[in-house]
This record gives sequence, C-alpha cells and structure tokens, in this order.
Amino acid sequence: AQSVSQHNHHVILSEAASLELGCNYSYGGTVNLFWYVQYPGQHLQLLLKYFSGDPLVKGIKGFEAEFIKSKFSFNLRKPSVQWSDTAEYFCAVNYGGATNKLIFGTGTLLAVQP
Amino acid sequence: DAGVIQSPRHEVTEMGQEVTLRCKPISGHNSLFWYRQTMMRGLELLIYFNNNVPIDDSGMPEDRFSAKMPNASFSTLKIQPSEPRDSAVYFCASSRDQTETQYFGPGTRLLVL
Repeated sequence: AQSVSQHNHHVILSEAASLELGCNYSYGGTVNLFWYVQYPGQHLQLLLKYFSGDPLVKGIKGFEAEFIKSKFSFNLRKPSVQWSDTAEYFCAVNYGGATNKLIFGTGTLLAVQP
Repeated sequence: DAGVIQSPRHEVTEMGQEVTLRCKPISGHNSLFWYRQTMMRGLELLIYFNNNVPIDDSGMPEDRFSAKMPNASFSTLKIQPSEPRDSAVYFCASSRDQTETQYFGPGTRLLVL
C-alpha cells in the first residue's frame, strides 16, 4: 500500500542545533515529494517540493531536503534551528496514477527551546 | 491573490445539527481537496475534485458527509447529522492540477457538542 512514514513524532532541540527529520515512502515509481509546515494554530504552508532534477532541494526559511531514490527517502534538514521553527512538519507524497492525491505522513512536532 | 478562503473559521454546534463548510479555491486552480485533521488520526483526505468533478471520495467517513462543487470557485462540505466525533479542523486546499502543489486554506475548527 502507498504510505509515508515519519519516524520522529516529537523532536526537542535547543536553538542553533541542527535538524534532520526523516521521511520514507513506500513506492518505487515516479513520485512528487513535499514538506509542509504547520505553525501553532495556523494552516499548512509549503516549505519545499521535489518534482525532478537536482535531488537537493532548497526551500524557505533555510530548510532543505534531499531526495534519495535508492532509499525512498526525502529527509528535511536545517543547519541551525530557531525558536520560531517550533511547529509541526508534514512530509507528503503524490504517487500519481489513477487517483492523484497527496498521502501525508503523521507529522513531526518540533519544539525549539530558546 | 487572496489564497484559499474558508468559512466559517470556527463552528460550534449541537449533535444532530447540519453543518456546512465552505471553500473558495485560488482562482485558476482546477483541483480542490477537503481534508480533516484530528489528534488521533492526523491529516486525512476526505474527497477531491478535478474540474468540479469528484475524483476520489474514498476518504469520506460515511453517508452523513457529502461534498459538492457546483462551479470552479466554490465548494461545500456538509455533515448531516453531525456527531461529536466529527469535531476536527477541516482544511480545504487547491492546486493547478492534481499533481501540482496544494495550497491550504486557514481551516474551519468544528466542535460538535
């Protein structure tokens, strides 16, 4: 079955620490990959996306993600987090096919301590 | 562009009442998606439309839920009758087509007492 796994459910970091959030998907075909962020009380916003080309994708607010096809992974990274990065982060995959829809991971709640 | 617009932003109702949630997608977007977010189940796709036609409604919980898209600029999600377990945040999203980036609205926070 098509699925998306985010292994870290809760992450607590201090400011300036480096961040890496894992995302793995289950299907080996052509996929479109997304990371969304949801700040407390707000709606989901797009952080970055990968459709094709350079597997290292840069997004907003200093975030980046690397698509590794052999590992079915699309991990999110940021070299130095800030308190304002406290939010929930969702990985999502569009598997294409007959029903083009996004499959979301369960989300990772990141708390950055000042 | 104003982005995806949803109304109401908050809704409190009693069990058994009808609830109608509204969504206006971004102009020019051909695909519209309804999601539900709860602590227990996370973010779930309920239904999506492409060019006003429902494509996949496999996520709609049961017959109490229905969705319509009478034109390219408006969609409704109706719950009749509502139950406490329907309490959640309901998001609408739109995209240029089915495979493109989805842009989310601010959500409707529904509480059914």
